Amino acid sequence: QSALTQPPSVSGSPGQSVTISCTGTSSDIGSFNRVSWYQQPPGTAPKLLIYEVDNRPSGVPDRFSGSKSGNTASLTISGLQAEDEADYYCNSFTSSSTLVFGGGTKLTVL
Amino acid sequence: QVTLKESGPVLVKPTETLTLTCSVSGFSLSNPRMGVSWIRQPPGKALEWLAHIFSNDEESYSTSLKTRLTISKDTSKNQAVLTMTNMDPLDTATYFCARTAVTGHYYYYIDVWGKGTTVTVSS
Repeated sequence: QSALTQPPSVSGSPGQSVTISCTGTSSDIGSFNRVSWYQQPPGTAPKLLIYEVDNRPSGVPDRFSGSKSGNTASLTISGLQAEDEADYYCNSFTSSSTLVFGGGTKLTVL
Repeated sequence: QVTLKESGPVLVKPTETLTLTCSVSGFSLSNPRMGVSWIRQPPGKALEWLAHIFSNDEESYSTSLKTRLTISKDTSKNQAVLTMTNMDPLDTATYFCARTAVTGHYYYYIDVWGKGTTVTVSS
């Protein structure tokens, strides 16, 4: 199972919106609405932001939203804040009943 | 409050077997709506999913590592265990255990993470 493909880095200014893409295949993202997104600030454990494509756990601000089209999922962060600076990882359930992560995207808030 | 705590050796030698324990609280490993996954992250690199165990002891493994991995759990002790054989310096990483939410027909996603434990493989 190959890793999902994410851009290595994205950036934006405070208040702007950024979108992080996550491209998989018909064996993972394309076949299941089971995409999750995680935020990992430096030196800490990841935290769940989005599950099952577009659902937010309680406590996650509605500035974070998820979507999916075909084999590609996306995470959009609106109203960027300095505290959003972190690494972001997508994850998908696969046809082998396993999970697969993306390569991670470093978000820089300018 | 749901917590997971990883424990195990900090340093292992090449060819040795690594055994990591995940002690959980705030939920039961017998709950059919929950499971445990192990994930690792080499220094400066991406997350890599390793293995998962359901409440009924059904297991799933990373295709690339399945010959080296074994996941198990002891519900009475609230612990899950991962063993990885034939350790190599490339296995140096932070190893996380995490709770999974099981939805639908054996679908699952990671919802709560432990803080992780760092393992170095070196002679």
